[in-house]
Amino acid sequence: ETGVTQSPTHLIKTRGQQVTLRCSSQSGHNTVSWYQQALGQGPQFIFQYYREEENGRGNFPPRFSGLQFPNYSSELNVNALELDDSALYLCASSLVPASGGNKETQYFGPGTRLLVL
Amino acid sequence: DQQVKQNSPSLSVQEGRISILNCDYTNSMFDYFLWYKKYPAEGPTFLISISSIKDKNEDGRFTVFLNKSAKHLSLHIVPSQPGDSAVYFCAASGGPWANSKLTFGKGITLSVRP
Repeated sequence: ETGVTQSPTHLIKTRGQQVTLRCSSQSGHNTVSWYQQALGQGPQFIFQYYREEENGRGNFPPRFSGLQFPNYSSELNVNALELDDSALYLCASSLVPASGGNKETQYFGPGTRLLVL
Repeated sequence: DQQVKQNSPSLSVQEGRISILNCDYTNSMFDYFLWYKKYPAEGPTFLISISSIKDKNEDGRFTVFLNKSAKHLSLHIVPSQPGDSAVYFCAASGGPWANSKLTFGKGITLSVRP
């Protein structure tokens, strides 16, 4: 069983640029969530995708956007990068049955460390 | 406003002793709680979880206790091992549907001395 993978591992951008981060969900998972972890903080929820639709969003501006593909891989796009966007970006996948119901654990990838200069 | 609080930033214990990591929350809607462990340069690894209908869940050396009236949970590691040295995050979710967003605390750095 393949775990959650993310690419790239590290990235350096300059202010105002755009960035795309990628995530491959654990095999069989249909839900992906993205989190931002600033230095010294816990991860903060950005948004979640379920069956290719956004299914909840945290307190992040619209320049943070995402996609989930039919194979359940996902992208996080950030436009007009700001210095404060420098952080570790984590994606987490889980399997939600069609009937919903029970809580399912989210499994995290290793993250992409983004530095904005 | 931080809804999940881990007020102690670090904890150091002797190998073989018990580690007790504490977490407090403020949102009464939270009904599912998790602990994750994180090593440097890795993503958080799921450790153990507990539903709000329980007050204890045990998995090997790890036990999580939930006190709903006090809005407090704790993770006990017995016995502690040097490999347990990592950052531990408490997380909570709420709502009737699976996979509500996770709200994390800031983490506690645990050091287990040989």
